[in-house]
Amino acid sequence: EVQLVESGGGLVQPGGSLRLSCAASGFTFSTYNMKWVRQAPGKGLEWISHIGNSGSPTYYADSVKGRFTVSRDNAKNSMYLQMRNLRDEDTAVYFCARDSGQGGAMDYWGQGTLVTVSS
Amino acid sequence: QSALTQPASVSGSPGQSITISCTGTSSDVGAYNYVSWYQQHPGNAPKLIIYTVTNRPSGVPDRFSASKSGNTASLTITGLQAEDEADYYCFSYRSGNTLVFGGGTKVTVL
Repeated sequence: EVQLVESGGGLVQPGGSLRLSCAASGFTFSTYNMKWVRQAPGKGLEWISHIGNSGSPTYYADSVKGRFTVSRDNAKNSMYLQMRNLRDEDTAVYFCARDSGQGGAMDYWGQGTLVTVSS
Repeated sequence: QSALTQPASVSGSPGQSITISCTGTSSDVGAYNYVSWYQQHPGNAPKLIIYTVTNRPSGVPDRFSASKSGNTASLTITGLQAEDEADYYCFSYRSGNTLVFGGGTKVTVL
């Protein structure tokens, strides 16, 4: 069974940093591209990052470019999102998702982890 | 990065058909057959229901169908059921190695 489990969310002050993790199981992690998607409270979905199966290429939404860094460790079946210089508007549930390989569609999602940026 | 345009809400009675539009540009929806659709019930993660414009993953009921014409993609739910009440999002590749969601559509079953 495919499973994605996010962790690392929490409360952080504006300007602070946080590192999210996504632990994958039930599939050959190293053969799939992966994505991060977030959802602010009461708002829609926002794609924020993509990482290739070997760790590259990486792509980012303009809203996080230069502040967020996506990485992965295929030996640990894990993906990460390092978030720096956090802003109030980064408050959201962060989901990791598996890229199905079919036109970028995301076929499996984690349950999400909440990041709250507030003083 | 501007979102794709979806109606904020669509409603229908059980058994009826509804269609949700997703309007983009010649740089995203109109340029690539990389449109997917997601269903999200409150408090849950999104679920893939359509990929590459028209294809349904296994397990998704065939009352869900989709198409594309020009810069607009559409999702149709035929024979609306109570459990179809949810938020629906379109998603597309956009030139320049970016990806973009629609703003989301709340479907209400009357």
